[in-house]
Amino acid sequence: DQQVKQNSPSLSVQEGRISILNCDYTNSMFDYFLWYKKYPAEGPTFLISISSIKDKNEDGRFTVFLNKSAKHLSLHIVPSQPGDSAVYFCAASYYGGSQGNLIFGKGTKLSVKP
Amino acid sequence: DAGVTQSPTHLIKTRGQQVTLRCSPKSGHDTVSWYQQALGQGPQFIFQYYEEEERQRGNFPDRFSGHQFPNYSSELNVNALLLGDSALYLCASSLVNTWELFFGEGSRLTVL
Repeated sequence: DQQVKQNSPSLSVQEGRISILNCDYTNSMFDYFLWYKKYPAEGPTFLISISSIKDKNEDGRFTVFLNKSAKHLSLHIVPSQPGDSAVYFCAASYYGGSQGNLIFGKGTKLSVKP
Repeated sequence: DAGVTQSPTHLIKTRGQQVTLRCSPKSGHDTVSWYQQALGQGPQFIFQYYEEEERQRGNFPDRFSGHQFPNYSSELNVNALLLGDSALYLCASSLVNTWELFFGEGSRLTVL
C-alpha cells in the first residue's frame, strides 16, 4: 500500500523548457513534504521542501506546489538544464512522527536533452 | 567538511549469514537514520538513532538491529540474511528534529 505515489517513472524535457514532476499521497496526516534528487552512484540530496500550511515554496529555479484538497504536489524546474538529469524522489512525513521517518515515492527519472 | 560516509560500498553474502554496515554522520549531526532501497523502489525507513537510542522504527523485522556510538556514528546489523534483503542500504544524518536529511552513497548488499 503505497502512501506516496509518483506515477511517471520517467520524463524527458528539452533544455530551457519547464520540467513538471508530480506526486500524489494518500495519508491525510502528512503535513511536510520534500523533494530529493539522486544521481547514479550517489546518495539522494535534498532539493526543496514545503509545509502543509503553505501552497507554494520557491528556491531559484525550483518551485514546489501543494494542493492539499487533491493530495497532490508538483515540482517545477524552470529553465531545465542538462545537469538536472537525475532521479527525483518525493517524500512525505508528519510532525507527530520522527523527522527522520520519511515516506518516499518510487521516483521519476528526468532526462533533460540539450 | 566530510559528508556522510558509509562502508563497505559493496558486499556479497549468502543466505543465513549476518552483515554489519557502518555509517559516519556529517560533521555536527547527532541523528542517524537508516533506509533500505530495493531496485526500482524509493528508500524505505528502517530506524533512527539519537543519543545512542533507537528513536523510531519502520516496518522491519527484529533481524534488523542497530547501534549508535558516543561519536554519533552508527551500525546496521542484519541477521539470518534472506535473498530479499538484497538492496542498497542508505544512511542519512541530520540534526535532531530537523527535516533535511543528508544521505551517504549507500552500501550495496547482495545476498546469494
